[in-house]
Amino acid sequence: AQSVAQPEDQVNVAEGNPLTVKCTYSVSGNPYLFWYVQYPNRGLQFLLKYITGDNLVKGSYGFEAEFNKSQTSFHLKKPSALVSDSALYFCAVPGSARQLTFGSGTQLTVLP
Amino acid sequence: DTAVSQTPKYLVTQMGNDKSIKCEQNLGHDTMYWYKQDSKKFLKIMFSYNNKELIINETVPNRFSPKSPDKAHLNLHINSLELGDSAVYFCASSRNPSGRLHEQYFGPGTRLTVT
Repeated sequence: AQSVAQPEDQVNVAEGNPLTVKCTYSVSGNPYLFWYVQYPNRGLQFLLKYITGDNLVKGSYGFEAEFNKSQTSFHLKKPSALVSDSALYFCAVPGSARQLTFGSGTQLTVLP
Repeated sequence: DTAVSQTPKYLVTQMGNDKSIKCEQNLGHDTMYWYKQDSKKFLKIMFSYNNKELIINETVPNRFSPKSPDKAHLNLHINSLELGDSAVYFCASSRNPSGRLHEQYFGPGTRLTVT
């Protein structure tokens, strides 16, 4: 079964500092991996995806993610965090019927 | 220009009642989904429809019945509501045919509270 894990429930970072939100995956076959963000009382928004190709994927709002096959990781990163980046972040992997299986989510808080 | 819309946004009802949540997408997508987000923010797939046909039903009680009158709509009807049904329900859609490769677009969610 396809699955992802987010080992951190909460990540705090100071504004202007780099941020990393961690995700590891367990999939059979080629991994397709996604990151979504959920702002308070809102639906999920797509940030970026890895299908194939470059291990560094660039996405919306200045976010990027690094695919690492040897470590089975797909960590989300941003060079300089903004207070407005504070939100709930989900890593996800698609299943055979196109449904997404999500990680448990990581609450990112960027402190001013 | 809303891509995926849901109504209502909030729904408060009593145990035992029957209620429906509506979802519409104007993206021309072929596949639509219902997800449930519980109080701990865990997100789990409930149903997936492709071209109006059910393709996944994830161990959801049969009190939940999705209905897709056309490709742009996927409604969720819930019978005999229970306290444990309280959650936020999200509708989503994605392109086909290689749906696994395409991102999903989510509606704003419907917060269901059963008292």
